[in-house]
Amino acid sequence: DGGITQSPKYLFRKEGQNVTLSCEQNLNHDAMYWYRQDPGQGLRLIYYSQIVNDFQKGDIAEGYSVSREKKESFPLTVTSAQKNPTAFYLCASSIWLTGEQYFGPGTRLTVT
Amino acid sequence: ELKVEQNPLFLSMQEGKNYTIYCNYSTTSDRLYWYRQDPGKSLESLFVLLSNGAVKQEGRLMASLDTKARLSTLHITAAVHDLSATYFCAATPIIYGGSQGNLIFGKGTKLSVKP
Repeated sequence: DGGITQSPKYLFRKEGQNVTLSCEQNLNHDAMYWYRQDPGQGLRLIYYSQIVNDFQKGDIAEGYSVSREKKESFPLTVTSAQKNPTAFYLCASSIWLTGEQYFGPGTRLTVT
Repeated sequence: ELKVEQNPLFLSMQEGKNYTIYCNYSTTSDRLYWYRQDPGKSLESLFVLLSNGAVKQEGRLMASLDTKARLSTLHITAAVHDLSATYFCAATPIIYGGSQGNLIFGKGTKLSVKP
């Protein structure tokens, strides 16, 4: 079955710690994205990547970092510089940059 | 800068009734998406609208796009409880004559269908 997986589903961290969220897809999609969702809000773009070894900042990239070493994988690191990291994080992919996006199940991060 | 606004943000309906959710966007966009999100879950793609006048229907949901008015609508016919969810519209900004891939989302419409 093709799809997007994110792990873990729930993540708890202490303030000041970096944490990495995993996103893997086996859809053979070129483009991958990271979004953040806060309660009662739409999604906001953190980073996106069109091809391996290339990525672009989205609207709220500060305090986050990404890498794209493999086509299938696009991990997101939430650094201690991110002021309000508690949120629901969604990874998505599309065939190409302007294609329909498919979303993973999400990771709920809680930082205390 | 592309902005997407949905209204209403909250909608409580009785089963069997019809209603429409509106999605306005502020600048030119050549594609409009509708997604459904159940509580605590990810987003499920409902419709992709690519051209002016596009209309798509799936079950009790029908989406349309008017690019001249920069307006998309999601019409619900004879609502049932299973349609209770949050519905998001999203558009892609056009920069330098071409679409960017990222989606700009509205804040979502939380629909509650009561018996």
